[in-house]
Amino acid sequence: DGGITQSPKYLFRKEGQNVTLSCEQNLNHDAMYWYRQDPGQGLRLIYYSQIVNDFQKGDIAEGYSVSREKKESFPLTVTSAQKNPTAFYLCASTHRDAGYNEQFFGPGTRLTVL
Amino acid sequence: AQTVTQSQPEMSVQEAETVTLSCTYDTSENNYYLFWYKQPPSRQMILVIRQEAYKQQNATENRFSVNFQKAAKSFSLKISDSQLGDTAMYFCAFMSDPQGGSEKLVFGKGTKLTVNP
Repeated sequence: DGGITQSPKYLFRKEGQNVTLSCEQNLNHDAMYWYRQDPGQGLRLIYYSQIVNDFQKGDIAEGYSVSREKKESFPLTVTSAQKNPTAFYLCASTHRDAGYNEQFFGPGTRLTVL
Repeated sequence: AQTVTQSQPEMSVQEAETVTLSCTYDTSENNYYLFWYKQPPSRQMILVIRQEAYKQQNATENRFSVNFQKAAKSFSLKISDSQLGDTAMYFCAFMSDPQGGSEKLVFGKGTKLTVNP
C-alpha cells in the first residue's frame, strides 16, 4: 500500500534533549513538508524540501533541523533550542506533476516534553 | 504574506441538516488554489475539496460544495445532509500557484464541527 508513515506515534523527551521524528513515503513524491499543529493555531510550516539534498525554511524553522538524503525520507530533528516543542507534528508530501499539487499527510507524531 | 481566516472556532449541526463553514483569505495574487481539509479525532488530515482560482465554477464533491467568491476573497464550505462521521476539525488552506515555485500551504486556525444525532 502506498502512503506516508510517521514514527513514532507518541514521543516523550526530557528538556535539553534532541529528538528525531521519522517521515517516510513510498508514493514517489518529489516534495515533502513538516508542519506543527498546536491547539487553536492550525498548521504551521516548519521546513519543506522540493528535491533531494535541498530544503527551505518555513515560517517557524527556529529550533528545528531537517535532512533530505533520500527521496523517500525527510526526518525532522527537534533540538534543545526549540523553546516549546510539545506539539503534534505532521509530515506531508506531494507530486510536482499533479497540477494542483495536493498534499498528502501522514498520521502524525505527538511530541511531549517532560 | 497570505493569510487565511476562519471566523467560527466551533459550530454544531443536527444530523441530516446543512451547515456552512466560512473562510476568508488575503492575497494579491491572481492565480492560486484553495482547499478544505478535514481532521477527525484520529487526527489524520483528509482533503475534502479543492478549488482553482481561475475556475469560476464552484467545486463539488458529493455532499460537499464550496461558494468561491474571488472578488470578496471568500471560500465557504457547505456540507449537505450532515452525517455523524462529519464531526471533525475543518481547515481552510491557501496555496500560491505552484508554477511560481512556492508550494506552501497556509492554513486557517480551523473550525470544530460537531454533528449531533
